[in-house]
Amino acid sequence: ELKVEQNPLFLSMQEGKNYTIYCNYSTTSDRLYWYRQDPGKSLESLFVLLSNGAVKQEGRLMASLDTKARLSTLHITAAVHDLSATYFCAVEGMSGGGADGLTFGKGTHLIIQP
Amino acid sequence: DTEVTQTPKHLVMGMTNKKSLKCEQHMGHRAMYWYKQKAKKPPELMFVYSYEKLSINESVPSRFSPECPNSSLLNLHLHALQPEDSALYLCASSQNEGLETQYFGPGTRLLVL
Repeated sequence: ELKVEQNPLFLSMQEGKNYTIYCNYSTTSDRLYWYRQDPGKSLESLFVLLSNGAVKQEGRLMASLDTKARLSTLHITAAVHDLSATYFCAVEGMSGGGADGLTFGKGTHLIIQP
Repeated sequence: DTEVTQTPKHLVMGMTNKKSLKCEQHMGHRAMYWYKQKAKKPPELMFVYSYEKLSINESVPSRFSPECPNSSLLNLHLHALQPEDSALYLCASSQNEGLETQYFGPGTRLLVL
């Protein structure tokens, strides 16, 4: 059974600070996805990481993937209030077919306070 | 255009009703998905359609019946649902090869009374 574990599950931080969200997974998959969800809204794709050592950055967010450690990180730099949301990491299934559904971590509920 | 549309946005139904959720995308994606998301929980995969054929069914009860009439449309037919089926139902699509992200629609918020 594919397992995806995120931590922390809840994070309250001040604006201007840096922090990292961790995502561990149990398969040998080299595809990992990060999504953002605002309250009452759908999921917005942030990053797609497709190989070991992949690093992607968008604004104050940077994601990386270490497939050997089965670990991905989402780093927040100089946080601003607009980044308050729930962040999910997700891993594709391993059915061997072309399209697989995603297994999500429990999500990290991030609150950034002024 | 990376838009996936879903209708209706909200749905209230009784346990004896029959209703359908609709999802549409025009990105040429050949894989489409249904997920269910309960409050404060992550989305859970229900079904995967690949090239208009059901490829994955995550042991979903038969009161949920998916249908893919063509490569742009995905329906979820609902019948005799239970109150615990109340949730946000999300549709997503992607290129079949899975090398790109899955794009999610806005969801249908379902309440079963």
